[in-house]
Amino acid sequence: SQKIEQNSEALNIQEGKTATLTCNYTNYSPAYLQWYRQDPGRGPVFLLLIRENEKEKRKERLKVTFDTTLKQSLFHITASQPADSATYLCALLNAGNMLTFGGGTRLMVKP
Amino acid sequence: NAGVTQTPKFQVLKTGQSMTLQCAQDMNHNSMYWYRQDPGMGLRLIYYSASEGTTDKGEVPNGYNVSRLNKREFSLRLESAAPSQTSVYFCASRRDTQETQYFGPGTRLLVL
Repeated sequence: SQKIEQNSEALNIQEGKTATLTCNYTNYSPAYLQWYRQDPGRGPVFLLLIRENEKEKRKERLKVTFDTTLKQSLFHITASQPADSATYLCALLNAGNMLTFGGGTRLMVKP
Repeated sequence: NAGVTQTPKFQVLKTGQSMTLQCAQDMNHNSMYWYRQDPGMGLRLIYYSASEGTTDKGEVPNGYNVSRLNKREFSLRLESAAPSQTSVYFCASRRDTQETQYFGPGTRLLVL
């Protein structure tokens, strides 16, 4: 069955460092992958989309990579700030043309 | 532009009670979705509607019904609530020409 895995343990980093979050998937060949940010008590907010023919995508301090051979996406936040603290969700387009979401990874950036 | 709005924000039900969760979007999107989010399990699709007048089952439709009342509104109904339906429910919408989904603030439901 199709499965998406994100590290369920919180990632704690120091302000100014680069945060790297991982999204692994199995039994998928997704056309694209998305990353969302979710703050406590709020709905997810779209951040970035990367297609299967793209290796890397950037937006300001955010960078996403997509390795279809490893079946993995990495999400980087450079020069992290306490305001970046949130849960980050990855989502893949599944065989039914719907988004399937991972469980999310909580990021804590300490000043 | 309010985006996607959901009512109520929070609800407590007793087992067997019914209720309807409301969702509306003002972005003129054709596609709308209902998800539930449980700790550690990610968002799971309950039902979706690709356009006004059409609805389809998602991953976890049992115990729910939906109505696409018009292009703006998509409601989710629990006919006989069960404790297993305790969750946070999110509505989302999407423009046909984009892959991005826009989410509402969620409804927190507790079934006792």
